[in-house]
Amino acid sequence: EAGVVQSPRYKIIEKKQPVAFWCNPISGHNTLYWYRQNLGQGPELLIRYENEEAVDDSQLPKDRFSAERLKGVDSTLKIQPAELGDSAVYLCASSSGRGRETQYFGPGTRLLVL
Amino acid sequence: AQTVTQSQPEMSVQEAETVTLSCTYDTSENNYYLFWYKQPPSRQMILVIRQEAYKQQNATENRFSVNFQKAAKSFSLKISDSQLGDTAMYFCAFMKHRGAQKLVFGQGTRLTINP
Repeated sequence: EAGVVQSPRYKIIEKKQPVAFWCNPISGHNTLYWYRQNLGQGPELLIRYENEEAVDDSQLPKDRFSAERLKGVDSTLKIQPAELGDSAVYLCASSSGRGRETQYFGPGTRLLVL
Repeated sequence: AQTVTQSQPEMSVQEAETVTLSCTYDTSENNYYLFWYKQPPSRQMILVIRQEAYKQQNATENRFSVNFQKAAKSFSLKISDSQLGDTAMYFCAFMKHRGAQKLVFGQGTRLTINP
């Protein structure tokens, strides 16, 4: 079974530029998470989807961050415009969604904003 | 709000030794889940072991075992017969049984296994 797929693996951009990250969850997993991991810290949740619905986006900086999960499968996380402080690893995870299932993580996208 | 604390930023042991990583957490919940995740330099977060708070028996997975002390809110990970491939960041994480299904992570412990 294929794991969570993320692309790109690395992205370097200049501040004020837009950037987008893509995630394909494990087949059949209807819950999808985006986490941000700053250097030397544990991941923190940005947004959680149940199918197409964003059920927890309380930690998403909505002035510059947006996310979508069309058709309840793949998801895209966007930052526009990027700031220096957005440099981090962005992790996508998925679970089967019955509320008590383990979350499986993708390899992450390392973003560097110059 | 729940918090997770890992008091050991770094640890280093020799190959084949046993090592214990510490984790404490704070919550008012009675039912919850605790996890240890491993993150090697490749960055892929890999589940090591999972414990359900309502189970008194400590979880084990091959060389990995936990010491879950619910009253003390402590959840340590023991790695027996450590191997070079165990070198990684280890994160302790908490998740509520009900409500927001998000993982709350500790700061991590960097474990190095020396040959």
